[in-house]
Amino acid sequence: EDKVVQSPLSLVVHEGDTVTLNCSYEVTNFRSLLWYKQEKKAPTFLFMLTSSGIEKKSGRLSSILDKKELFSILNITATQTGDSAVYLCARTDSSYKLIFGSGTRLLVRP
Amino acid sequence: EPEVTQTPSHQVTQMGQEVILRCVPISNHLYFYWYRQILGQKVEFLVSFYNNEISEKSEIFDDQFSVERPDGSNFTLKIRSTKLEDSAMYFCASRGEAYGYTFGSGTRLTVV
Repeated sequence: EDKVVQSPLSLVVHEGDTVTLNCSYEVTNFRSLLWYKQEKKAPTFLFMLTSSGIEKKSGRLSSILDKKELFSILNITATQTGDSAVYLCARTDSSYKLIFGSGTRLLVRP
Repeated sequence: EPEVTQTPSHQVTQMGQEVILRCVPISNHLYFYWYRQILGQKVEFLVSFYNNEISEKSEIFDDQFSVERPDGSNFTLKIRSTKLEDSAMYFCASRGEAYGYTFGSGTRLTVV
């Protein structure tokens, strides 16, 4: 069964905190794992991960994939109120369609 | 930066009516998708389209749904006879040869 499971479902932190968001997935026809940020409408792309153990970074955000344990994490350091959003994890299969998790709703309080 | 454009941003329709949701993908992209997100639920794949035909569709994409690329630029999703449960945000996305998945800003469909 194609399944992507994210945890926690929601998270409330204060500005400056570091957060770690988790994503686990089923292995069938796995091609890549992607992270998106969804604020009001469309998901916006953050990272695509295809290889295990290689960290991808963009400013305060970073992500890594573990293909043996079938999970990925998204880290956000020194959180800001602008980081408040729903963070979506999705995997692609051989057809490149995206299979999304339910998302983690992050609220960063001033 | 190239964008995927969707119109309308919000559509309200009566149950049983037909609706057409429109999308203009990024011009050099070859793969087109529709996803939907029912309020409070996960984003779900509906259909993928390549070379002027459907390449894959989900169980949600039943006979009430159809897609078209009528003029080489627009990509449309038609729902023939809308049901209350079709109320959702519908996202169009396009993808180039290299990974380059870009989502449109969505059409919120409300069926009353």
